[in-house]
Amino acid sequence: DSGVTQTPKHLITATGQRVTLRCSPRSGDLSVYWYQQSLDQGLQFLIQYYNGEERAKGNILERFSAQQFPDLHSELNLSSLELGDSALYFCASSVAGGINSPLHFGNGTRLTVT
Amino acid sequence: KNEVEQSPQNLTAQEGEFITINCSYSVGISALHWLQQHPGGGIVSLFMLSSGKKKHGRLIATINIQEKHSSLHITASHPRDSAVYICAVRKEETSGSRLTFGEGTQLTVNP
Repeated sequence: DSGVTQTPKHLITATGQRVTLRCSPRSGDLSVYWYQQSLDQGLQFLIQYYNGEERAKGNILERFSAQQFPDLHSELNLSSLELGDSALYFCASSVAGGINSPLHFGNGTRLTVT
Repeated sequence: KNEVEQSPQNLTAQEGEFITINCSYSVGISALHWLQQHPGGGIVSLFMLSSGKKKHGRLIATINIQEKHSSLHITASHPRDSAVYICAVRKEETSGSRLTFGEGTQLTVNP
């Protein structure tokens, strides 16, 4: 058990809808990362937060947004969903935001857009 | 060409065999991760390397920064080692860090 909790585990929704994925980092970890794993693109970095502030941004679409709250949990909001957004979304956390911090991954949220 | 290349893409071995998975990258990095993803989908971080060699149980990871190459070795392989192994490099950015992933190596160990 990594200590990182993601909810929900599975989500099925229709095109055009909006969903929110939630991540609770491991106790004591200040940094949260979001990743998307799709069949055609593999794993891709979306965004990183550290102690409530955005730290790094990857291939995150404008229809997607994220935030980290004062209690350090994070939410990834996906709107105007398209079929191609179907993927596994992973959250990871680390103590700090730099290179020397090991990453701990959640079990992912599997999103299916129909 | 991908910034992170893994080989082989698929690997089938018999229980007890010594296994090597390779990772080459073309960018400057601050660290390299080896990850394991089981059929259920969850990802486990196996190693984080910035130089040299690390060992954990039957797993060994090495990195050669000059040659931009890393290897993951599994000694005395077991069917429970069957998983996808993913190499990822960490590029330090001004105020954060991000992982760039290889496509993964699907390992199947037969009894």
